[in-house]
Amino acid sequence: NAGVTQTPKFRVLKTGQSMTLLCAQDMNHEYMYWYRQDPGMGLRLIHYSVGEGTTAKGEVPDGYNVSRLKKQNFLLGLESAAPSQTSVYFCASSTGDRAPFFGPGTRLTVL
Amino acid sequence: SQKIEQNSEALNIQEGKTATLTCNYTNYSPAYLQWYRQDPGRGPVFLLLIRENEKEKRKERLKVTFDTTLKQSLFHITASQPADSATYLCALGPRSGGYNKLIFGAGTRLAVHP
Repeated sequence: NAGVTQTPKFRVLKTGQSMTLLCAQDMNHEYMYWYRQDPGMGLRLIHYSVGEGTTAKGEVPDGYNVSRLKKQNFLLGLESAAPSQTSVYFCASSTGDRAPFFGPGTRLTVL
Repeated sequence: SQKIEQNSEALNIQEGKTATLTCNYTNYSPAYLQWYRQDPGRGPVFLLLIRENEKEKRKERLKVTFDTTLKQSLFHITASQPADSATYLCALGPRSGGYNKLIFGAGTRLAVHP
């Protein structure tokens, strides 16, 4: 039982490049979330999903897209990376009535 | 807009003492409040939830209080150990909507010295 896994762990991009972050959970959770964590700030929700095939915007969705084609996977895409997207990205999942279970994070640097 | 504040300065204490961390908030009326632990390079881990009608919650060496009048929660670790060293986050829970509406604080780093 791996919980929530994220791929990759680290990535360096140049401005304008694109990439996809993959999140996978093996707990059969309905809800999945993508957060970003920046120094001196609390976790901020980017997008979330309440079930397979559904997605919704969070607090800071601009510049990101997501997809939830399978219940266990939640993908976060950056179409044209900007330095302001340098951050640590956390995926989380939950049953909806329990606190989110977080993954280990992806550290992204955009040059 | 709502604001949540945790002490940005690290808290340094000696092993065996009680650590007390503070979470203050303004312009918000949460239905509940959560505390998480985050180790360097890892994701947050949920510790405790306290609801607005609960004054205090305990779990082993952890104790959380919630004062809706003062708009403050205190998080205590008794008999602290070096292994308790981590960053602790508080999060406010909404009256409506799910965990997609959690508001997280920036966290306070705790260092427990032998």
